[in-house]
Amino acid sequence: NAGVTQTPKFQVLKTGQSMTLQCAQDMNHNSMYWYRQDPGMGLRLIYYSASEGTTDKGEVPNGYNVSRLNKREFSLRLESAAPSQTSVYFCASSRLFADIGYNEQFFGPGTRLTVL
Amino acid sequence: TQLLEQSPQFLSIQEGENLTVYCNSSSVFSSLQWYRQEPGEGPVLLVTVVTGGEVKKLKRLTFQFGDARKDSSLHITAAQPGDTGLYLCAGGRGATNKLIFGTGTLLAVQP
Repeated sequence: NAGVTQTPKFQVLKTGQSMTLQCAQDMNHNSMYWYRQDPGMGLRLIYYSASEGTTDKGEVPNGYNVSRLNKREFSLRLESAAPSQTSVYFCASSRLFADIGYNEQFFGPGTRLTVL
Repeated sequence: TQLLEQSPQFLSIQEGENLTVYCNSSSVFSSLQWYRQEPGEGPVLLVTVVTGGEVKKLKRLTFQFGDARKDSSLHITAAQPGDTGLYLCAGGRGATNKLIFGTGTLLAVQP
């Protein structure tokens, strides 16, 4: 099993360009998440999908959109990239909270994005 | 608002030393997880604690959940260079699939 995979691993964009970060998991998890990690800020939740067909905003959703394509895939789109979106982006997945009573998340290797 | 504060932020020690990392909050959490993140990688789950006062051991690592479920600690005995990394605590609240992450403790173990 590959776990959680993310593409691309690195990306450089110019201000105003758009791009989509891809994420897939093969653990049959119901819930998926997108985080950004900045120095001194820890992991901040951008969007999440508790189950297939649903998406909800997290702590820092402005400037991003998401699509839960199917149970396996959850993509993050930057429509018009800004330098403030320079960060490391992590995708994660977990079993449904209701099934086990707590939330253990499994992370992908990250996408390092620079916006010039 | 950062609900989970970790201390210390940075820790540099020699191989063989013991250390403790703290994760504190004024809020109650239904569960608490610890993750370790190595440079260039995503966080990897180490342990989940769900009961106040619970203690779990993972080889040289000992995790404790506070009695009131507002704080947690991670103790490493005889640290090794392979323990180097960013340690993150994360709290779960109620019937939600969201976690709140702490700011992290960056540990460097020198050989």
